[in-house]
Amino acid sequence: GQNIDQPTEMTATEGAIVQINCTYQTSGFNGLFWYQQHAGEAPTFLSYNVLDGLEEKGRFSSFLSRSKGYSYLLLKELQMKDSASYLCAVRAPQGSGYALNFGKGTSLLVTP
Amino acid sequence: EPEVTQTPSHQVTQMGQEVILRCVPISNHLYFYWYRQILGQKVEFLVSFYNNEISEKSEIFDDQFSVERPDGSNFTLKIRSTKLEDSAMYFCASIIGGGGLDEYEQYFGPGTRLTVT
Repeated sequence: GQNIDQPTEMTATEGAIVQINCTYQTSGFNGLFWYQQHAGEAPTFLSYNVLDGLEEKGRFSSFLSRSKGYSYLLLKELQMKDSASYLCAVRAPQGSGYALNFGKGTSLLVTP
Repeated sequence: EPEVTQTPSHQVTQMGQEVILRCVPISNHLYFYWYRQILGQKVEFLVSFYNNEISEKSEIFDDQFSVERPDGSNFTLKIRSTKLEDSAMYFCASIIGGGGLDEYEQYFGPGTRLTVT
C-alpha cells in the first residue's frame, strides 16, 4: 500500500525559514520528489532525493532518511510568491513506470 | 525551454459523452503519464505509458479510460462515457527516462480542466 502524510496547512512570515515534513510508507521506493503547485496550475519540480541526506538548490533544500521513511523541504528567505501548495511524492520503481504517488499537499501561506 | 502542452485548456461535456484529452510531450521523452486532480484533492496517478504500451495503471483507470499515442507526437486520454465524478483537472507529464541525470524530473503540462454536467 501507499501512505504519504504531510501537514495540511502552514503559515510563515516573509523572510523566515519554514520546514515542511513528509512521512511515507510505500511498497516500492525509487526516489522522493517535492513539487510546488499554485492554485489552478500544474505542479512544478523543486527537488529530488534518492539517497539519504540533504540536497540544496538555492533557497530550497530537501532531506531524506529512507530508514525512517521521512523527508522534509526547507524553504529559506521566504517570499510572498512562495505561498502555494507543496507536494511530496514518492516515485515507483522502473517496473511500475516510474509513476509518482503524491501526498495531499501542504498549503503554505506566507504573511508580511 | 521545451514544455509539455495540453489541449483544450477547458472542456465541458455532458454526462455519458466521450471526451479525448490531448497532450504533446517533450519530443525526446520516453515515458508519458496522465494524472488527475479533483478540486481540493491530491494529484492522483492514472496511467504510465512506455514503448507504445501501458506500463502501469491505477485502480482509477478502469475500462472507461484508454490512452493512445497515435502519431509519435500526441498522447491522448479518452474517457468513453463520462460521469459527474470525472470532473477534474487532468495533467499530462513526461520524463526522459534514458538513464541520465535528468531522468528523474517529471515535466507536467498545464492541464485540461474537465467539467462534466
